[in-house]
Amino acid sequence: ETGVTQSPTHLIKTRGQQVTLRCSSQSGHNTVSWYQQALGQGPQFIFQYYREEENGRGNFPPRFSGLQFPNYSSELNVNALELDDSALYLCASSLNRGHDNEQFFGPGTRLTVL
Amino acid sequence: AQSVSQHNHHVILSEAASLELGCNYSYGGTVNLFWYVQYPGQHLQLLLKYFSGDPLVKGIKGFEAEFIKSKFSFNLRKPSVQWSDTAEYFCAVNAPLYSGYSTLTFGKGTMLLVSP
Repeated sequence: ETGVTQSPTHLIKTRGQQVTLRCSSQSGHNTVSWYQQALGQGPQFIFQYYREEENGRGNFPPRFSGLQFPNYSSELNVNALELDDSALYLCASSLNRGHDNEQFFGPGTRLTVL
Repeated sequence: AQSVSQHNHHVILSEAASLELGCNYSYGGTVNLFWYVQYPGQHLQLLLKYFSGDPLVKGIKGFEAEFIKSKFSFNLRKPSVQWSDTAEYFCAVNAPLYSGYSTLTFGKGTMLLVSP
């Protein structure tokens, strides 16, 4: 069974650019959640996708958007990058939506915005 | 909105010392509680979880946690730490916000350094 994978591992961008981060969910999982972990902080919920639809969203502006594909892999897109977007972006998959489903995390993508 | 508070940002212990990391949450309804660990250079891993039943839960690597509903607490314990326990520890709450939707809310984390 393959765990959650993310790509790329590291990324450096400049202010104003756009970035796409990718996540492959664990086999059999139909729900993907994205989190932002700034330095010295715990992960913060960005949004969740369930069966290709956005299923919930945290307190992040619309320039953070996402997609989920029929194979349940997912993308996180960030437009008009700002310095404060520098963080570790974590993807987590779960068997289903709902609070009784354990989330399994990927290794993350470290984004640096200069 | 739910929130999680971890009492200590940094903890330094010697090997064989006992560990207790505090975690309090705010949410009035049913919650699921988790402790995650992030070893240096590795991804977040689940240490243990509480969904229901016995409030004393045992996890991997000798860790345990006790859910005290009246105190809204879920403290993590280990009787004797090892150097390999050096890591960042996150307490998290998962509560149903809307039907069929929930999110993990994390505390800010506690960095544990165990000296040999």
